[in-house]
Formats: sequence, structure tokens, C-alpha cells
Amino acid sequence: NAGVTQTPKFQVLKTGQSMTLQCAQDMNHEYMSWYRQDPGMGLRLIHYSVGAGITDQGEVPNGYNVSRSTTEDFPLRLLSAAPSQTSVYFCASSRTGVDSTNEKLFFGSGTQLSVL
Amino acid sequence: GESVGLHLPTLSVQEGDNSIINCAYSNSASDYFIWYKQESGKGPQFIIDIRSNMDKRQGQRVTVLLNKTVKHLSLQIAATQPGDSAVYFCAENMGLYNFNKFYFGSGTKLNVKP
Repeated sequence: NAGVTQTPKFQVLKTGQSMTLQCAQDMNHEYMSWYRQDPGMGLRLIHYSVGAGITDQGEVPNGYNVSRSTTEDFPLRLLSAAPSQTSVYFCASSRTGVDSTNEKLFFGSGTQLSVL
Repeated sequence: GESVGLHLPTLSVQEGDNSIINCAYSNSASDYFIWYKQESGKGPQFIIDIRSNMDKRQGQRVTVLLNKTVKHLSLQIAATQPGDSAVYFCAENMGLYNFNKFYFGSGTKLNVKP
């Protein structure tokens, strides 16, 4: 199993450009999520999904879109990149427990994004 | 312990000593907690978790202690090794109240001196 795979590892954008960060998991996890990590700060939740066709906002959703057409994939779209979106982005997935509580998150290796 | 902001707390220990990393969580409704280790340039790696119906849980060389009265979580690493050098942070989840969201602390940097 590859776990959670993120592409690309590095990306440089100009302000106003759009791009999609890819995330795929092969663990058949229902729950997937996107976080951003800024220097000296904890991970902040952008968007999450509890299954195919279902997405919801996290703490910092503005400027980002997501969709979940399959269980495996959860892409994150930046429609018009801004310098404030310079960050390291992590995708994470987890199994949902039988009592609907979440279990531990498995993280990808991250995408380092710079917006000039 | 962990704090929000630009300055990452650093804990320096000698190889072979025990390390204790602390975390103050914010929500009394949180009932699931996880410790993660993050090495430079990598994604967070699961270390150990604990649910609120427990006070202590042990893994291989690691122990997590939970004090719900003061909303405090700690990670103890026994016989710290150079490979333990990383940033450690805790995450909380509010279970039945809001089980889809995890909230992360800003982290503590552990520096192991040989």
C-alpha cells in the first residue's frame, strides 16, 4: 500500500493562477481532508469529506474548492492563487469508526506551494 | 508546552534521557487525542492516541497521559534517541460533538543531543 500520495511536491505560482493539488489514498478510507501548515503554526483544516460526493468546510476554506467523486481521490483547487496561500499543504485520510467517531489520520508527504 | 504563534517551543535533551512534551488542549468536549511526530520536510507521522475514557496509554517507548481536569496532555519518550529529533504536536477531536474536525497545536521541537 502506498498510503496517502500527494502531487506535486513543490509548486510555484504567480498571483491569479489556478492549480489543483492532487491527493489519493489506497486504504479505502471514507474520511479525507486538506490542511495547510504555516511556519510556527499548527495544521489548519481547509476542507474535508466523509465520503464520495460529500464535502464540507473546515477552519480556513476561503480561496479553495474541493470535490470527491471517488473514495480514493480528493483534489484541492486554488481558483486564483494569492500570496497568502503560500504554505505547505497536507492531505490526510482516516477510517471512520463503527460509532461514527474518527480514527487516526494518515498524512501525505505534503506539497510546498509558493505564490509570487 | 505548545502554544499558538510564531515561536516554536524547543526541548533539548541528552541522548538516553527521558523526554516529556506537553500540550494544553482547548475544548473540554474533546474526547480523542493524538500525538504526531513531524520530521523536516515530511508529513506528520502517528505516534500514539488516547480516548477520554483513559488516563494513560503506553506504546513502544512512548506513553501518553491525559488529565481532563486541567485539559492537559503529555507525551513521554523513554530513552530518547537522535532519531526522535523532530517537531511533536498534539491533535484533539470532539468526538460525538464534531468528530469530523481535528484541531492541532503548533508543536514542540525536540532536539536530542548525542
